[in-house]
Amino acid sequence: EVQLLESGGGLVQPGGSLRLSCVASGFTFSTNAMSWVRQAPGKGLEWLSVISSGGGGSTYYADSVKGRFTISRDNSKSTLYLQMNSLRAEDTAVYYCAKGWYSYGLWGQGIMVTVSS
Amino acid sequence: DIVMTQTPLSLSVTPGQPASISCKSSQSLLNSDGKTYLYWYLHKPGQSPQLLIYEVSNRFSGVPDRFSGSGSGTDFTLKISRVEAEDVGVYYCMQSIQFPRTFGQGTKVEIK
Repeated sequence: EVQLLESGGGLVQPGGSLRLSCVASGFTFSTNAMSWVRQAPGKGLEWLSVISSGGGGSTYYADSVKGRFTISRDNSKSTLYLQMNSLRAEDTAVYYCAKGWYSYGLWGQGIMVTVSS
Repeated sequence: DIVMTQTPLSLSVTPGQPASISCKSSQSLLNSDGKTYLYWYLHKPGQSPQLLIYEVSNRFSGVPDRFSGSGSGTDFTLKISRVEAEDVGVYYCMQSIQFPRTFGQGTKVEIK
């Protein structure tokens, strides 16, 4: 089955760190760019980051997370990561991983991240 | 950043009736490769977002033909020819011509 499965979410204090994982199955992970998108409570979708296929040499970030979040991938494990540092209350959201560079035809189920003291 | 503006922000539709959502971008989404990088997504309650339309007017795999997209440059439209109960949710347009990718605010569609 073609799917993406996120993990690693939870409750973290402001200023803390969290690493999200997204395990892919059912398709050739290494040949696909991967992205992260989030939705804060009561808000719309917000694009966060993308990593190119293969070695992941190209990465881009939204200004809201640049310098705090790092996207990476391990093709041997078919896994996408989002390292989130210096977390703020406004980072509270459901985080989705998605397959693609221009469009996202496959999404994970989403994982909740709550930043609160 | 490219600003994506959707109208209306909410829509209440009688089943079987048509619906239309407008999306305007602050810059042209037509790329030098001839493609226009405008996409439509539907986020149903309790589910992950799903791709409906890619590059303005191409239905994604499995998307019913009651959904259609049109437009060019900076003005785009998503149309549902006959709304069904399963079409409820929030519809988003998104541009992928440049980084950061940006979504419209979303249009919430409900059934009367």
